[in-house]
Amino acid sequence: QVQLQESGPGLVKPSGTLSLTCAVSGDSISSSIWWSWVRQPPGKGLEWIGEIHQSGTTNYNPSLKSRVTISLDKSKNQFSLTLISVTAADTAFYYCTKVKGASPTFDYWGQGPLVTVSS
Amino acid sequence: DIQMTQSPSSLSASIGDRVTIACRASQSISNSLNWYQQKPGKAPKLLIYAASSLQSGVPSKFSGSGSGTDFTLTISSLQPEDFATYYCQQSYSIPPTFGQGTKLEIK
Repeated sequence: QVQLQESGPGLVKPSGTLSLTCAVSGDSISSSIWWSWVRQPPGKGLEWIGEIHQSGTTNYNPSLKSRVTISLDKSKNQFSLTLISVTAADTAFYYCTKVKGASPTFDYWGQGPLVTVSS
Repeated sequence: DIQMTQSPSSLSASIGDRVTIACRASQSISNSLNWYQQKPGKAPKLLIYAASSLQSGVPSKFSGSGSGTDFTLTISSLQPEDFATYYCQQSYSIPPTFGQGTKLEIK
């Protein structure tokens, strides 16, 4: 059973950088072709942030593309999210997910910590 | 981006009822439609993928149908643990997009 666990600061200052890491356990990160990040502002709906392929190829949501980087560290069985120039609108629960197959279908999710952007 | 619209936004039902939630895509997405259940304070859980395939471990009381632009999620014999928010999501094109959610509440 794959388990995902996000880690990183819960509070980020405006104009700062949000950085989260997702540790994968129960299986090798090489077991899935794609890994992804999804976020959810408190009380609102779900927004896909982006994904990374085993090869290192990435796809990002155009709405965030200029500010987002997703990276993969196979040696540590983890992948990471970096979001720069954050504002209060980036306050959300951030979920790392495993992608089922080749299409963006999310079959395993992390717990989704709340990251608050505030001074 | 493909827009996903769910109806209704909220729904009240009783224990034992059968309910249906609709999801419409702004363009044809073939059968590239997934359904998730989210309970308060928890991550979403995949229920149905490819419009009608039941995810492993999900009870058969959940079923999905549809293709093209119109899809439905049906939940039979509602139990207390089924009261949650349900989201549809298209996996047809990047970026994948979600519906706004349907909150299923106990009547």
